Amino acid sequence: QVQLVESGGGVVQPARSLRLTCAGSGFTFRDYAMHWLRQAPGRGLEWVAVLSYDASNKYYADSVRGRFTISRDNSKNTLYLQMNSLRVEDTAVYYCAREELFAKSGMDVWGQGTAVTVSS
Amino acid sequence: SSGLTQPPSVSVSPGQTASISCSGDPLSFQHAYWYQQKAGQAPVLVIYKDSERPSGIPERFSGSSSGTTVTLTISGAQAEDEGDYYCQSTDNSGTYVVFGGGTKLTVL
Repeated sequence: QVQLVESGGGVVQPARSLRLTCAGSGFTFRDYAMHWLRQAPGRGLEWVAVLSYDASNKYYADSVRGRFTISRDNSKNTLYLQMNSLRVEDTAVYYCAREELFAKSGMDVWGQGTAVTVSS
Repeated sequence: SSGLTQPPSVSVSPGQTASISCSGDPLSFQHAYWYQQKAGQAPVLVIYKDSERPSGIPERFSGSSSGTTVTLTISGAQAEDEGDYYCQSTDNSGTYVVFGGGTKLTVL
């Protein structure tokens, strides 16, 4: 079945780095743009970054630009989020989601999320 | 402003109609999307392109758009529809994703 599975979350100290991974299966991964989103405890959804299907275009939220890097390996059906210079306010559950941009069909498949806690 | 505004909460009796609004400047020329999030679960897309319903989403979910406001309507709300609902669009440039603050729907 169509599935996205995130991994790589954990507890990390401020200013350290962490890399999240999102593995896709059950669909043609290279046909989709991929997003990272997050949700801080008790808060709403926040978009983090998007990467086009061929990795030619990437965009970031102001809150993470310059610290986070989104990338993908279509040969491995995998999306990544490299998070550097982490801050306490980056604590959240991080989700990946796919979107078929040309069809404007929305983020129709989400992963279950991976929790990141930034704390000293 | 490129932000989207939703009411924090909406309550409805079972079987009645619930309406959740979302307003913001981008909505006048960008599509809106709605996501349902139940406690402890990942969000689920329930409406795309303002009023389209993905396969598997019950017909009681519908969406509409007028100017800078979009509305999610749940006709005949059921207990299982309780959760948080988020509207989403893109900013004026069509590049950056924006979410509303979310609306907690209570069915009681």
